[in-house]
Amino acid sequence: QKEVEQNSGPLSVPEGAIASLNCTYSDRVSQSFFWYRQYSGKSPELIMSIYSNGDKEDGRFTAQLNKASQYVSLLIRDSQPSDSATYLCAVARDPGGFKTIFGAGTRLFVKA
Amino acid sequence: NAGVMQNPRHLVRRRGQEARLRCSPMKGHSHVYWYRQLPEEGLKFMVYLQKENIIDESGMPKERFSAEFPKEGPSILRIQQVVRGDSAAYFCASSPGAGSNQPQHFGDGTRLSIL
Repeated sequence: QKEVEQNSGPLSVPEGAIASLNCTYSDRVSQSFFWYRQYSGKSPELIMSIYSNGDKEDGRFTAQLNKASQYVSLLIRDSQPSDSATYLCAVARDPGGFKTIFGAGTRLFVKA
Repeated sequence: NAGVMQNPRHLVRRRGQEARLRCSPMKGHSHVYWYRQLPEEGLKFMVYLQKENIIDESGMPKERFSAEFPKEGPSILRIQQVVRGDSAAYFCASSPGAGSNQPQHFGDGTRLSIL
């Protein structure tokens, strides 16, 4: 079992729709969760971080965390073609473990 | 530009040569991480360093790869006697602190090609 699992996609949504990206993780002591966006040939860019159960909203992005289910998701409202990218889920834990484990990413295509 | 700086952006080496990749963290950041990314794959952790110390190198291959972060100057990822399989994008990230709630910020990466 991979430590952080994501559906590789591609996930295709029409412009203006809600894109829903999902991630599961295996380490129950994980405490910090991040979503990065990576455009083709570019570096990962942090877009959201979440540390406690529930929802966290930032503009068009909402991160959702459920530690009991070991599940974290990212919702993108009013999707735009510029949102087309690979979204990486990342998980980190303390104490003693400073490694951040990344999923393989989900490719999102937003059709104009 | 106060972001994470990596150089070179592209590096071409022949099999058997050495590759040196450099990373200067963001201003105020003292923690550096190196990752390798193969096409269509996620980021694979290689090593985590603080100034003059290797904290976690569990992702580093046992041979040919080494990393350092000296008191002065950038962090260096060194690959000796490169092979075709070393071709990948190598990303450096930095964070201000050691806790898991300190997100990592990435540089633009070095694309290493082995002929």
